[in-house]
Amino acid sequence: EVQLVQSGGGLVQPGGSLRLGLSCAASGFTFSSYAMSWVRQAPGKGLEWVASMSGSDDRTYYADSVKGRFTISRDNSKNTLHLQMQSLTVDDTAVYYCAKGLRVGLLYYYDSWGQGTLVTVSS
Amino acid sequence: EVVMTQSPATLSVSPGERATLSCRATQSLSTNLAWYQQKPGQAPRLLIYHASMRATGVPARFSGSGTGPEFTLTISSLQSEDSAVYYCQQYNAYPPAFGQGTKVEIK
Repeated sequence: EVQLVQSGGGLVQPGGSLRLGLSCAASGFTFSSYAMSWVRQAPGKGLEWVASMSGSDDRTYYADSVKGRFTISRDNSKNTLHLQMQSLTVDDTAVYYCAKGLRVGLLYYYDSWGQGTLVTVSS
Repeated sequence: EVVMTQSPATLSVSPGERATLSCRATQSLSTNLAWYQQKPGQAPRLLIYHASMRATGVPARFSGSGTGPEFTLTISSLQSEDSAVYYCQQYNAYPPAFGQGTKVEIK
């Protein structure tokens, strides 16, 4: 059974960084064979793609809204996905989901999702 | 950048009736479109991929159709557990984009 278990998140001041970032521990599938992504959802709003990383060749893709501030990374030896977040603004307040991607060309749809973790940016 | 527009915003349907949800893209997607169901407090769940392929474990009352810029998700006989927000997602061109969602309510 595929499992994506997220950790991290919390309250951060505007302009600050999420010290330990977000993590997503994967199990039940060959982690290195699949791209992984982060998708966020602001309170009461819809879904927004944030970033994706390919399975084994380190290609990364970012939404313009987070480019240069967020860094997606993965440790295939530990089956873990990470998201480092800096220069946070109130607009980054959201529940962040990790998601397992099924590739079509260079893009993905998502067949498994983590439980979500809340990041609140507020003074 | 592809923009996805879903309609209606809210759909109220009686149990056992058909629900039809629409999703329109600003450019052709071929069939590179997925549908997700999200219930309150839960993560999204994949229902349909490649516009019409049901994901594993999805009941047969859910079906997808369409190509190019226009797509439809149909719930043939609405059940109480189908009350949720439904999102379409294009994966034809970067950046991947979701529609704003359609909330399905049980009348």
